[in-house]
Amino acid sequence: AQSVTQLDSHVSVSEGTPVLLRCNYSSSYSPSLFWYVQHPNKGLQLLLKYTSAATLVKGINGFEAEFKKSETSFHLTKPSAHMSDAAEYFCVVSGGYSSASKIIFGSGTRLSIRP
Amino acid sequence: DAGVIQSPRHEVTEMGQEVTLRCKPISGHDYLFWYRQTMMRGLELLIYFNNNVPIDDSGMPEDRFSAKMPNASFSTLKIQPSEPRDSAVYFCASSLVASGSGETQYFGPGTRLLVL
Repeated sequence: AQSVTQLDSHVSVSEGTPVLLRCNYSSSYSPSLFWYVQHPNKGLQLLLKYTSAATLVKGINGFEAEFKKSETSFHLTKPSAHMSDAAEYFCVVSGGYSSASKIIFGSGTRLSIRP
Repeated sequence: DAGVIQSPRHEVTEMGQEVTLRCKPISGHDYLFWYRQTMMRGLELLIYFNNNVPIDDSGMPEDRFSAKMPNASFSTLKIQPSEPRDSAVYFCASSLVASGSGETQYFGPGTRLLVL
């Protein structure tokens, strides 16, 4: 069985400060893990993904995430927040076997940026 | 490529009416997914297709919902009859065939449905 938990429904940071969005997962297989971003009234866009290669994954817009198997975590970070980062972020886990029915989306974390 | 295309972008209808949502996946992508997003339930996978064949429709809420993919470049999601609780944003996504896990899904802009 697979599951994904986004630990914060809302995160608010000041512009220029670090961002941390937390995600924990559970998977019977070696998982693939993704972070997607959704800006208001837009579709979802892939930020980055982990597929059993390097544990530190770099994505677009300065975001990165580290896969920690011992902690079953895949937290998303960015050193310095920008106003344009305000959006909803989804952590996603998919099965180690190519099966779309095992794609699980987290409940989302809304990131707000204070000027 | 223009990405995943969905139409209409917005739909307002009255309860009991038939609603048809349309999706054109990225050319060459063999997987197509339909999702529903609501505040209460988040993102839910409704159904997905592989090479135009429905593989898993366990997420379809009830018989009022049906989806088809008559060819590789077109899919529809139909709700008949529609109800107010169907109001949501419906996303279509597509992905390439992959030999293993880690397929990236590419999402369309969504159709915002309001059933009065």
